[in-house]
Amino acid sequence: SQQGEEDPQALSIQEGENATMNCSYKTSINNLQWYRQNSGRGLVHLILIRSNEREKHSGRLRVTLDTSKKSSSLLITASRAADTASYFCALYNQGGKLIFGQGTELSVKP
Amino acid sequence: NAGVTQTPKFQVLKTGQSMTLQCAQDMNHNSMYWYRQDPGMGLRLIYYSASEGTTDKGEVPNGYNVSRLNKREFSLRLESAAPSQTSVYFCASRLGESSYNEQFFGPGTRLTVL
Repeated sequence: SQQGEEDPQALSIQEGENATMNCSYKTSINNLQWYRQNSGRGLVHLILIRSNEREKHSGRLRVTLDTSKKSSSLLITASRAADTASYFCALYNQGGKLIFGQGTELSVKP
Repeated sequence: NAGVTQTPKFQVLKTGQSMTLQCAQDMNHNSMYWYRQDPGMGLRLIYYSASEGTTDKGEVPNGYNVSRLNKREFSLRLESAAPSQTSVYFCASRLGESSYNEQFFGPGTRLTVL
């Protein structure tokens, strides 16, 4: 499959805890992107990590990429109730089109 | 800027009816996309338009047609709706086909076919 596979499918944590989501893939990539989807809304781009980068930060988000293991992880530190959403990794297929995984549903309880 | 807008937000059709989903972007993007999202299936690409005047099939094009009316607008048409087309439809755009461009999504159209 050319799409990313997220793990876990669902994650429930308390406010203030860290949330880690993983994405595995099978093809070679130029970059990998993470998107967030709030309930009933469209997807919003969070961060892009290039294949020559190992780690990238954006606010409370930390993304890592291990091309040897073909995996990426998204860490949200000090989570808030507003972080409750579905998170998707996305990568480009051979035709140059962005393909999304099935997502991790994160629930942050206040 | 409104970003990517979609109309309608909700629609209920009977089997066999036709309808057109509208999408417009005001970011001067060249590429536009239509996805459908079903529970447990993620987003699947239906059709895309890499530039004004071109359209191509994605992963699940059967039962749909598209029109890139101009640079701003990209519509999706269901000629004869089927219950299997019950889904949430998202339009997206990006500056160009470079893999380093992020995609911007509309709010979605929730379609039910009875």
